[in-house]
Amino acid sequence: GQNIDQPTEMTATEGAIVQINCTYQTSGFNGLFWYQQHAGEAPTFLSYNVLDGLEEKGRFSSFLSRSKGYSYLLLKELQMKDSASYLCAVRDHYGGSQGNLIFGKGTKLSVKP
Amino acid sequence: ETGVTQSPTHLIKTRGQQVTLRCSSQSGHNTVSWYQQALGQGPQFIFQYYREEENGRGNFPPRFSGLQFPNYSSELNVNALELDDSALYLCASSNRGLTDTQYFGPGTRLTVL
Repeated sequence: GQNIDQPTEMTATEGAIVQINCTYQTSGFNGLFWYQQHAGEAPTFLSYNVLDGLEEKGRFSSFLSRSKGYSYLLLKELQMKDSASYLCAVRDHYGGSQGNLIFGKGTKLSVKP
Repeated sequence: ETGVTQSPTHLIKTRGQQVTLRCSSQSGHNTVSWYQQALGQGPQFIFQYYREEENGRGNFPPRFSGLQFPNYSSELNVNALELDDSALYLCASSNRGLTDTQYFGPGTRLTVL
């Protein structure tokens, strides 16, 4: 089956660093995505990993280990506006198509002053 | 701003009715994917359209159907609405063959009474 696990909730302090973990078991793999979603809004693309290693993008970094079925999103210098849900998604491979995204349930991050 | 637009923003229907949701893809994108997001859950893949044809489908019944038009815009139709169809419906566009990253529209909040 298809399974993506991430913690339900996390709390961190403004200015700190937080790591959100994601483990996956999927029948296919064609990349892993992280999205940010504020309450009542659409998911916003943050990062993409298809090869093992770390991808850095400003205050956000994402890591992938395909052999372990594991990824994390690292947020540095946390700001209040980072309070949101963070969605881990694996792109499946479906026949000749581009592949749909399989999402975890999301991690709700609360940033406290 | 992603450039993906959806209409309407909110919709209230009663059980048994039919609904049509609309999506305009981002300029330069040729692929549209639809997702259903229930409260507190991650988005669930409904189907994907490429070159006006369905190009992958998730675990949704046939009463969920769609169309893609020559300008790459798309419609999601749901017949015989059920209470459990109440959710946020997200459209995502991407450019098959290039970055493949899916960018989401603001969503349509459907409430079935």
